[in-house]
Amino acid sequence: DQQVKQNSPSLSVQEGRISILNCDYTNSMFDYFLWYKKYPAEGPTFLISISSIKDKNEDGRFTVFLNKSAKHLSLHIVPSQPGDSAVYFCAANGGSGTSYGKLTFGQGTILTVHP
Amino acid sequence: GAVVSQHPSRVICKSGTSVKIECRSLDFQATTMFWYRQFPKQSLMLMATSNEGSKATYEQGVEKDKFLINHASLTLSTLTVTSAHPEDSSFYICSARDGAYRLFFGSGTQLSVL
Repeated sequence: DQQVKQNSPSLSVQEGRISILNCDYTNSMFDYFLWYKKYPAEGPTFLISISSIKDKNEDGRFTVFLNKSAKHLSLHIVPSQPGDSAVYFCAANGGSGTSYGKLTFGQGTILTVHP
Repeated sequence: GAVVSQHPSRVICKSGTSVKIECRSLDFQATTMFWYRQFPKQSLMLMATSNEGSKATYEQGVEKDKFLINHASLTLSTLTVTSAHPEDSSFYICSARDGAYRLFFGSGTQLSVL
């Protein structure tokens, strides 16, 4: 049962344009969502997060949007740069209190930004 | 920023041997750490929650006798893959939670069992 889904295995974008990565979830108990960037054989690098009580969070070129009613979130990167090329994972927190940090990850989306 | 060190980064072992992977929080205390596993081109799957001074909590389907977790101090958690077999070959990653509930990931360990 895949509780966090990233339905697009890959995305190709031209440098300078917007990259939009999507993520859907099924568990309404998730209260915090995170996006990570990852290279093969390396640990994930945190990008941006959003609490379930918000619908938008922005940090520089990265913006995350959350639509709770649709159980959908998206990561916008603008402008996209070739250095953004990596695998992007959406993750949802399913633990509360001392269990905070139990993340459920999506399958990942390979982003390629062409010069 | 906070750093989590994971060692070794890569290990190749023979089938039947045991392998220990260490996860250290270098500049903060982590009462809770998490262990994940990632198979090629797949998602990261949570294996267990490691709690300092108490037993680890394993996710459904993860064999606790196969994957031994010890969180003996506030800065160190270890994962031991006992009697490793080729199907245990995977990328193992730890994460540590600091006092402000921020999460930091290690760089991962690529285990190859021959």
